[in-house]
Amino acid sequence: SQQGEEDPQALSIQEGENATMNCSYKTSINNLQWYRQNSGRGLVHLILIRSNEREKHSGRLRVTLDTSKKSSSLLITASRAADTASYFCATEEARGGSEKLVFGKGTKLTVNP
Amino acid sequence: KAGVTQTPRYLIKTRGQQVTLSCSPISGHRSVSWYQQTPGQGLQFLFEYFSETQRNKGNFPGRFSGRQFSNSRSEMNVSTLELGDSALYLCASSKASGLYNEQFFGPGTRLTVL
Repeated sequence: SQQGEEDPQALSIQEGENATMNCSYKTSINNLQWYRQNSGRGLVHLILIRSNEREKHSGRLRVTLDTSKKSSSLLITASRAADTASYFCATEEARGGSEKLVFGKGTKLTVNP
Repeated sequence: KAGVTQTPRYLIKTRGQQVTLSCSPISGHRSVSWYQQTPGQGLQFLFEYFSETQRNKGNFPGRFSGRQFSNSRSEMNVSTLELGDSALYLCASSKASGLYNEQFFGPGTRLTVL
């Protein structure tokens, strides 16, 4: 079953603008990870945020996590045409003993040059 | 360090046949997980192997099976293929040490069942 739900499903912006994607989940988690996928290819790992962290940065990426609301957001600043891709959040549940990730359906981002 | 590799990259089979997909994890990674991605169902967890043992299994029929070898390489097998098995099959590897393990994905195997 899909635990994470990304919002919006699709987002179209101009180069240079910021893009914000949101993710909600249902159970207690160990961590939440964001991935990018270009045109049905493999998933590229972007960032992992631990359940005890609230915010994390990596280059132009900023991820927040609110465990009380069971939600996360991914902000891409100063977007580029090369950022055009689908973005997925994935949660590792807190039950432990497994590396299983539960994915959302993704946000399709289009950055227009 | 080499990334996760999957072979073959593309595969075309007919209904009723079986298929074996292979995944080589990043060196030093002990956990390998498999996922199926379809337009309708999205990314769904198939199973995870750690130290040659299946540690978790998703909600897929018994036609889907896998194994892991002592060098951490993994294979998954699908028997009696159905049209609905057409999908992108992704494997991911991680160190599986502690609670906060990044998982790295391979490029996937695109399976088409005719």
